[in-house]
Amino acid sequence: DSGVTQTPKHLITATGQRVTLRCSPRSGDLSVYWYQQSLDQGLQFLIHYYNGEERAKGNILERFSAQQFPDLHSELNLSSLELGDSALYFCASSPGRVMAEAFFGQGTRLTVV
Amino acid sequence: QQQVKQSPQSLIVQKGGISIINCAYENTAFDYFPWYQQFPGKGPALLIAIRPDVSEKKEGRFTISFNKSAKQFSLHIMDSQPGDSATYFCAASSSSYKLIFGSGTRLLVRP
Repeated sequence: DSGVTQTPKHLITATGQRVTLRCSPRSGDLSVYWYQQSLDQGLQFLIHYYNGEERAKGNILERFSAQQFPDLHSELNLSSLELGDSALYFCASSPGRVMAEAFFGQGTRLTVV
Repeated sequence: QQQVKQSPQSLIVQKGGISIINCAYENTAFDYFPWYQQFPGKGPALLIAIRPDVSEKKEGRFTISFNKSAKQFSLHIMDSQPGDSATYFCAASSSSYKLIFGSGTRLLVRP
């Protein structure tokens, strides 16, 4: 158990819908990172939050957004979903601003039908 | 320049053998090189990591070899076991905060 909790584990939704993925970091970790893992793209960085502030953005679509709340949990919002958004979404947390000693959650498997 | 190239894509090793996975990078600003192990349906788990001030780091059966001049690093799994069958990812990061992952190597250790 990495100590990073993601919910839900599985999500099936229709195209055009909006979903919210939730991540609780390890106790004491201030950084949360979101990654997308699909078969043909590997692990792709989406966004990084540190202590409530956005620190870096990767190839995150405009239809996707995220935030980190005062209690440090984070949510990834995916809207106007397309079939190609089907993937595993992971969050990871680390103690500081840099992604060293980062631990991943179990992921949310999103299936868009 | 932000890429991390990983090879091979897949690897089959007999039990007791040595598994070797290689990675190469271009960005000389990278200063942290971890390896992650991922089992099906699970998240990547941090296995071992190295910084460029050392050429080798060993933890149990897992060893990272690092060649700064060649900008390459590799994972060696000694005495490979069927339980090591998983996908392995190398990664690299710098002060840009995020980890850049290699494309992954699917390892199968045959009994």
